[in-house]
Amino acid sequence: EDQVTQSPEALRLQEGESSSLNCSYTVSGLRGLFWYRQDPGKGPEFLFTLYSAGEEKEKERLKATLTKKESFLHITAPKPEDSATYLCAVQAEDSWGKLQFGAGTQVVVTP
Amino acid sequence: GAVVSQHPSWVICKSGTSVKIECRSLDFQATTMFWYRQFPKQSLMLMATSNEGSKATYEQGVEKDKFLINHASLTLSTLTVTSAHPEDSSFYICSAPLSRQPQFFGPGTRLTVL
Repeated sequence: EDQVTQSPEALRLQEGESSSLNCSYTVSGLRGLFWYRQDPGKGPEFLFTLYSAGEEKEKERLKATLTKKESFLHITAPKPEDSATYLCAVQAEDSWGKLQFGAGTQVVVTP
Repeated sequence: GAVVSQHPSWVICKSGTSVKIECRSLDFQATTMFWYRQFPKQSLMLMATSNEGSKATYEQGVEKDKFLINHASLTLSTLTVTSAHPEDSSFYICSAPLSRQPQFFGPGTRLTVL
């Protein structure tokens, strides 16, 4: 059974204090791993897709990396506007379109 | 990115009534849409896959007679929660994949059943 585990559950950072979020996964053939950002009361906002081990994607203060067992979302010098819940999801090769989500990491960045 | 809309954004209803939620792909056609449910402080759980012109497929444990899905056109899928009860109160979110693109999600619908 496909599984996605995110850690930590919650993270409190000072503005400028870099950190990393972890997403460990087990899936029978990975089609893609996705990172989303979700603000309270809103739908997930797409950040990155990673397809193969070794791949890296970057957007502003965020950088996502992928290995065969886990993915990291690095937040460099975060700002208060980076406060959100970050969701990781995997799509298996044999389940086109279906996403299996982790529980998310709630990030709070204080000024 | 592609835009997916939902209507209404929130709804309050009495126990025993039915509620319909719409999901639209605004600038692309979607033969498949997905419906997710999210309880407070929990992640998204896939409920069902909506297929244009055919029956929806439901995930294990989701009652198909309670959560009616209709995908009548390439841009619209509807989820009807029939005989809603307080335990159905949740955040319902739809998504639509675009070929070779990541899934884009709607803004969600907050359902509160009194």
